[in-house]
Formats: sequence, structure tokens, C-alpha cells
Amino acid sequence: QVQLQESGPGLVKPSQTLSLTCSFSGGSISSRDYYWSWIRQSPGKGLEWIGYIYYTGSAYYNPSLKTRVTISVDTSKNQFSLRLNSVTAADTAVYYCARAPRLGNWFDPWGQGTLVTVSS
Amino acid sequence: SSELTQDPAVSVALGQTVKITCQGDSLRSYFASWYQQKPGQAPLLVFYGKNNRPSGIPDRFSGSSSGNTASLTITGAQAEDEADYYCNSRDGSGDRLNLLFAGGTKLTVL
Repeated sequence: QVQLQESGPGLVKPSQTLSLTCSFSGGSISSRDYYWSWIRQSPGKGLEWIGYIYYTGSAYYNPSLKTRVTISVDTSKNQFSLRLNSVTAADTAVYYCARAPRLGNWFDPWGQGTLVTVSS
Repeated sequence: SSELTQDPAVSVALGQTVKITCQGDSLRSYFASWYQQKPGQAPLLVFYGKNNRPSGIPDRFSGSSSGNTASLTITGAQAEDEADYYCNSRDGSGDRLNLLFAGGTKLTVL
């Protein structure tokens, strides 16, 4: 059974960097068939695609976040990570990791999500 | 980048059929995928591609597409179908590798 699990600090100060890790189990993150994605949801709002990465390290980002986002992959640990710098209160959200097929546009499965609050 | 839009809220009587729609120019080129999200839970994929339902999703969920509009139909809505529903697809106006979501539809089962 494939599973994804997010981890990282739940509280980040304004102007600092948000860092999260997603651990994949039940398969290999080095599969040629999938991209590994980050998606967020601000409280009471809709879903926003942040970006995704291929096992080779090629990453693609939402143009609205591109200047602040870095997604990386560690195939030896079966993990991928998100860094979002210069955060503000607007970055407060539940952050999800999810798997997307290389030849499709859907996300499945999803991690349970982790709430990150930006506050001093 | 392109945009996807959904009606903010839709209601359906118990046991009746409801169609939730998603509009956007990118849907002329790419299929939509659909997710169900209940309070406090992660989104769950319920339909994707031309005609695909993930294992475990009831067959009362179906999808279709015409022109710039994709639809998720629930035939015989149940109380447990009350949730937020989101569609997503690829960005049709710029880098096709970019993905985007619509704003979601809150489904109320009366």
C-alpha cells in the first residue's frame, strides 16, 4: 500500500523559510512513472498546486510561487522536500504532498497534510 | 496561465442526480480530474482521465467532458457524498507541465 507522509515544523516566523519533507512508502520514489508534488490549502480556501519534481531532480513550479519555492528529492531516503522562503501570513496553510503520474494530471495518493502557521 | 472555474455551491436532494461542472480553456485539450474533500481530510481522487474511477470509488460517480466544460455526475447522491469537490487539469495557455485547480464546489445533500 503506497503512502505519503508530510513532516516538518508547524510554526514558522514571518520572513523565514518553511521547510517540509514528504516520505514515500510502499514503492520507490525513483519510479520513472511519477512526479512528486506539493499542494497547499489556506484555511477555508481551495487547493493550490505548488510544484512537483521528477526523480532525476527536474522540478516545475507554479508561476505565482516560482521565485520563492524549491523542491528537491532524496532518492536514497525515498523522500522529497519543499522549501518556501520569505514567508508571510498568506503562506499559512495545510501543505499536502501527493503523487502524480508522468503522463497524467491527477494526484493520487495524498498525504494527510500538515498545517503550517506563519506567525511571530 | 489559464484558469479553471467551478460554481461555489450546489445542492441535491437525497437519491437524486447532481452534476458538478468545471470550466476552462485548458479543458479543450486536457481531461479534468476530480477530488472529494470532507472536513479535516485530505482530498480523495474520485474520477480522472477520459473514463477512470479509482478502486473503491462507488460507480455512482462518473465524469464527462464537452468543449471547455468537464462534469462530475453523482447518480443517486448519498448523505456521505456531502463534501467539497475540486477539479484540476493542466495549464493550457503556458507551460503544459504546470497544473492548476479550480476553486471548488460545496455539495450539500438535502
